[in-house]
Amino acid sequence: DTGVSQDPRHKITKRGQNVTFRCDPISEHNRLYWYRQTLGQGPEFLTYFQNEAQLEKSRLLSDRFSAERPKGSFSTLEIQRTEQGDSAMYLCASSPARPGLAGVPNEQFFGPGTRLTVL
Amino acid sequence: LAKTTQPISMDSYEGQEVNITCSHNNIATNDYITWYQQFPSQGPRFIIQGYKTKVTNEVASLFIPADRKSSTLSLPRVSLSDTAVYYCLVGAMFSGGYNKLIFGAGTRLAVHP
Repeated sequence: DTGVSQDPRHKITKRGQNVTFRCDPISEHNRLYWYRQTLGQGPEFLTYFQNEAQLEKSRLLSDRFSAERPKGSFSTLEIQRTEQGDSAMYLCASSPARPGLAGVPNEQFFGPGTRLTVL
Repeated sequence: LAKTTQPISMDSYEGQEVNITCSHNNIATNDYITWYQQFPSQGPRFIIQGYKTKVTNEVASLFIPADRKSSTLSLPRVSLSDTAVYYCLVGAMFSGGYNKLIFGAGTRLAVHP
């Protein structure tokens, strides 16, 4: 399978614990995105990497959240001191670099997500 | 990014054509219209994208009138497996060299036997 993979698929934790999620993008994609999705809502953008550089962070990404992509390949998203409000599906997506090619599909390839439940 | 408005839910039956309309009155000249599909417990999947007139692929058709203030996603002869949430997104291509996607709540399509 050459799609985007995420690990773990499910995570249950107690409030106050730290959790870390991993995303492996499609190998030739240099852009990687994290989104969060709560029940009944569409995904919300959290952060974006181009290679190893984190170029944008949403205001949704509080100080308890940190994301890394150390070698420009896989990425991790860590949540410290989890709160019940952090319960959501965390989605990772990747896309190739296509600068200046108007008309090319605006396509991001999403992984299956990690469902986090904070008790 | 332009705000979009689409129906919260729709119902259909197997074999029917389904049309989901999205309003985007404030669409900008550089904006494209993109539709994604999401099944339960999966990430969204790109369906189709267009700028104006009509675009067709193996999955769907996208109709965009001349004023581009709305668009219609057309799914021919739906089956039970088309039950999903469909998102309409509007945004410029590669602004700043990348494009974060801004999702609304989407349209929940239920296909019945």
